Amino acid sequence: DAGVIQSPRHEVTEMGQEVTLRCKPISGHNSLFWYRQTMMRGLELLIYFNNNVPIDDSGMPEDRFSAKMPNASFSTLKIQPSEPRDSAVYFCASSFAGGNQPQHFGDGTRLSIL
Amino acid sequence: DQQVKQNSPSLSVQEGRISILNCDYTNSMFDYFLWYKKYPAEGPTFLISISSIKDKNEDGRFTVFLNKSAKHLSLHIVPSQPGDSAVYFCAATNTGGFKTIFGAGTRLFVKA
Repeated sequence: DAGVIQSPRHEVTEMGQEVTLRCKPISGHNSLFWYRQTMMRGLELLIYFNNNVPIDDSGMPEDRFSAKMPNASFSTLKIQPSEPRDSAVYFCASSFAGGNQPQHFGDGTRLSIL
Repeated sequence: DQQVKQNSPSLSVQEGRISILNCDYTNSMFDYFLWYKKYPAEGPTFLISISSIKDKNEDGRFTVFLNKSAKHLSLHIVPSQPGDSAVYFCAATNTGGFKTIFGAGTRLFVKA
């Protein structure tokens, strides 16, 4: 079975550019999560969706960050304009609904903003 | 405000011995706890979980203990193997909601 698929695996771009990260969740899962991992803060939840609807975006650091889930099989996380402090590994995860459902993570996108 | 804390950034253990990873939480509304394991260049994978109605859950070499009064949980790995070397994340959630809060992780080194 295919797991959560993220693209690209690595992204290097210059400050000020728009960055779009993509995620395909596991088929049948109805919850989707975007996380950011940094050395200082570990895994931070940015936003999560249930049935394609954003439920909580309180973790999104600034208005430069936006996320969409146009259908059950695709989500994007966009940063515009990007800044060097946005450099991190970004993970997407999906699960069945319910707080006790384990989340399945993609392998992440390593983002470097120069 | 860190609601889930893993105070040990790293832990080194000899192969065959017990590894104990600790986690503390502050929010009494959490009623479900999970441990995830993460290898380099991969996403975290679910390892084991425990509900707040239990104080112990065991799965092979992995056992999670929960002390609700102390708001503390621990993951025991016995016996430890070199393949267990990874970063371990503690996570807490509420079964009625969707939000899961992760700790910062503990890097475990198992020496052969």
